[in-house]
Amino acid sequence: GNSVTQMEGPVTLSEEAFLTINCTYTATGYPSLFWYVQYPGEGLQLLLKATKADDKGSNKGFEATYRKETTSFHLEKGSVQVSDSAVYFCALSDRDSNYQLIWGAGTKLIIKP
Amino acid sequence: KAGVTQTPRYLIKTRGQQVTLSCSPISGHRSVSWYQQTPGQGLQFLFEYFSETQRNKGNFPGRFSGRQFSNSRSEMNVSTLELGDSALYLCASSLSGAPSYGYTFGSGTRLTVV
Repeated sequence: GNSVTQMEGPVTLSEEAFLTINCTYTATGYPSLFWYVQYPGEGLQLLLKATKADDKGSNKGFEATYRKETTSFHLEKGSVQVSDSAVYFCALSDRDSNYQLIWGAGTKLIIKP
Repeated sequence: KAGVTQTPRYLIKTRGQQVTLSCSPISGHRSVSWYQQTPGQGLQFLFEYFSETQRNKGNFPGRFSGRQFSNSRSEMNVSTLELGDSALYLCASSLSGAPSYGYTFGSGTRLTVV
């Protein structure tokens, strides 16, 4: 079945460092891919998405490119801020999942000033 | 516009009891999906309702049920609570039910079973 694998956390960085959170997926079809963010005590917010191969999603300085050849959707940001501290979830949706979200385990990001 | 509202925010129940959680979607959204979030299992899909009909169901026991009303508000019910049901329950509303077209999540209901 479909699945999403994320790098384990927590990931601890200093402010202004470069961020990469790895995400790979397994799917038989052509899924849509998503990054969601969860701040402490809150629900999930869509950060960015890509619906087909080679698409790049971007938002708030974060980017991720849908790489079908490596089945990856890694999240990157050039310069992180303390306010980026949160848990980040990679997810996919496709016909095999009845278009519901299949989630990675989440990666906790801690940014130190 | 108002976001997705989940009530209550926190709930403590005793093992064996039942509980009902509520989700009011964004106005105009006809689809409501429910997810369970636990430290051990992560995020798992429970079910989706669209126009008062359950359209998709995840792999949860029959103790978990839901419904949707004509105004698109949805409730989920868990009967005969077990300790393992302690979780954050999240609902997401959307126009069509497909995440690609936009999902908005509520802040969740934190259920603790003692």
